[in-house]
Amino acid sequence: EAGVTQFPSHSVIEKGQTVTLRCDPISGHDNLYWYRRVMGKEIKFLLHFVKESKQDESGMPNNRFLAERTGGTYSTLKVQPAELEDSGVYFCASSQDWGVGETQYFGPGTRLLVL
Amino acid sequence: QKEVEQDPGPLSVPEGAIVSLNCTYSNSAFQYFMWYRQYSRKGPELLMYTYSSGNKEDGRFTAQVDKSSKYISLFIRDSQPSDSATYLCAMSALGAGGSYIPTFGRGTSLIVHP
Repeated sequence: EAGVTQFPSHSVIEKGQTVTLRCDPISGHDNLYWYRRVMGKEIKFLLHFVKESKQDESGMPNNRFLAERTGGTYSTLKVQPAELEDSGVYFCASSQDWGVGETQYFGPGTRLLVL
Repeated sequence: QKEVEQDPGPLSVPEGAIVSLNCTYSNSAFQYFMWYRQYSRKGPELLMYTYSSGNKEDGRFTAQVDKSSKYISLFIRDSQPSDSATYLCAMSALGAGGSYIPTFGRGTSLIVHP
């Protein structure tokens, strides 16, 4: 069974440009999560989809970030316009159900560098 | 004060040593405690989880939670070079959005040398 995949693995862009990150969850997983790790800091939650609906977007830093999950399959996270402080590793995770005991499976991450 | 404190290390030990990794936390609402392992250029992988105070063992790994002290530990027995990775503690409580979202520590880098 394929794991969570993310594309691209790396992205280098200039401040003010737009970047779109993609996540393909494990097949059959209704729950999809986005996280971010800024250099030297903890991994922080961004948002949680259940199928195509946003269940929890309390971690989204500002309105330059837009996440979508059309059709409840893959998800995209767009940053527009990108700022220097957006640099970091963006992780996607998926789980079959959601709740206190549900295991989240993480992808390898997209490393974003904003110059 | 951060919600979860974890020493980033690095922690370097010889093969065969017993490794102790620790985290402290401040939020008494945390109910679910996890340890993740992350190899370089990979995503975090769930190692162990527990709901309550006490010990949980899985092979060479033992997770320990002390809710009264707000302190959790991961012990690795007979450490191997393949255990070299970053170990992240995480803990969760029911969030405002209705999800159990983990709050991570910064991770401890472990190096096991032959």
